[in-house]
Amino acid sequence: EAGVTQFPSHSVIEKGQTVTLRCDPISGHDNLYWYRRVMGKEIKFLLHFVKESKQDESGMPNNRFLAERTGGTYSTLKVQPAELEDSGVYFCASSPFWKLMDEQYFGPGTRLTVT
Amino acid sequence: AQSVAQPEDQVNVAEGNPLTVKCTYSVSGNPYLFWYVQYPNRGLQFLLKYITGDNLVKGSYGFEAEFNKSQTSFHLKKPSALVSDSALYFCAVRGDNYGQNFVFGPGTRLSVLP
Repeated sequence: EAGVTQFPSHSVIEKGQTVTLRCDPISGHDNLYWYRRVMGKEIKFLLHFVKESKQDESGMPNNRFLAERTGGTYSTLKVQPAELEDSGVYFCASSPFWKLMDEQYFGPGTRLTVT
Repeated sequence: AQSVAQPEDQVNVAEGNPLTVKCTYSVSGNPYLFWYVQYPNRGLQFLLKYITGDNLVKGSYGFEAEFNKSQTSFHLKKPSALVSDSALYFCAVRGDNYGQNFVFGPGTRLSVLP
């Protein structure tokens, strides 16, 4: 089966611009997660979808970040307007509904550079 | 609050020698523990997990990890390192209470020298 895919693999934008990241989870996976790794630090949880519903968005840094998962398939994460501190690698992960407490399957990440 | 520590930023080991990548954790409730590996330009790849049962768990590529409840540790080990094991390794934990999310450590870069 195809793994989790993310697009783009790398994005370079200027401060103040808008960027939209996309994640396609493994087909049939109801759980979808977004994470971020900034400046070589730990990977931090951003939010969790179950199908199209936001289950937990406690990790979202501020209201410049908007995540959507219309239809419960792919998800987008929009950053508007981008700031320098948003630079980092954004990972998406998915898992089947019955594996809520179990391992997650990660995509390759999107490296975002804000200049 | 949940937390994970990986005390070593970098671990160097000669090919053929045993390797250990350390991880300690703090969590509410019983821990679910995971190791992931990231190869260059790739996503995080699941290696192994401890949920319950035997303290020694075996995973992919000959890796294993030992859960030590008293020391709150979950060190990753391999008896004989390969150059191809060189990568970034992340330890992660979550509690067994519903609603708790994965917490990752900062990662340890493993370099296996030929």
